[in-house]
Amino acid sequence: GDSVTQMEGPVTLSEEAFLTINCTYTATGYPSLFWYVQYPGEGLQLLLKATKADDKGSNKGFEATYRKETTSFHLEKGSVQVSDSAVYFCARGYGNNRLAFGKGNQVVVIP
Amino acid sequence: GAGVSQTPSNKVTEKGKYVELRCDPISGHTALYWYRQSLGQGPEFLIYFQGTGAADDSGLPNDRFFAVRPEGSVSTLKIQRTERGDSAVYLCASSVGKDNEQFFGPGTRLTVL
Repeated sequence: GDSVTQMEGPVTLSEEAFLTINCTYTATGYPSLFWYVQYPGEGLQLLLKATKADDKGSNKGFEATYRKETTSFHLEKGSVQVSDSAVYFCARGYGNNRLAFGKGNQVVVIP
Repeated sequence: GAGVSQTPSNKVTEKGKYVELRCDPISGHTALYWYRQSLGQGPEFLIYFQGTGAADDSGLPNDRFFAVRPEGSVSTLKIQRTERGDSAVYLCASSVGKDNEQFFGPGTRLTVL
């Protein structure tokens, strides 16, 4: 089965709304977890990461908490802006090399 | 400083042809990764180099795909006898240190007609 699962479908919301994108992972052990963002016309960029259980990664107003009990790493932002429109990918690390990504969620923020 | 660069940015080829895609990692990064991203999907791992050697090539889909990194810096992904299903964006990333923080290049969009 998939090692990283993201919620289905694009997300459309109004400016200043609360954003949540769900991500769950399968793992043995304690993999590092990541959120990457791809802005229109740009390459993948690391948004935030967490390396152990209960860690909270944060950046640019986004947060995600490493939840081992639910094997989740949901991304949240309290008040989105139009500039947050992008595709967001959840990923987990294997050992110290490759990453496994979810399918991504397109987020569209409407003014 | 300079980020990861990839050339060409776009490549259109015909079915059955051979292609080479180049990646220049961030200076000093010893680890280099290739991924493939199909439309509407997340990137999928292809191969990982630590220095000059391929430490993990488990993601290469078949023996038409090959990658080299002869001097531990620039890497070339080579695809023989291209097929239409090879059409995708090929991403390169590099990293140094632990915890898999990888920096991605802009990708090469390969289209096989």
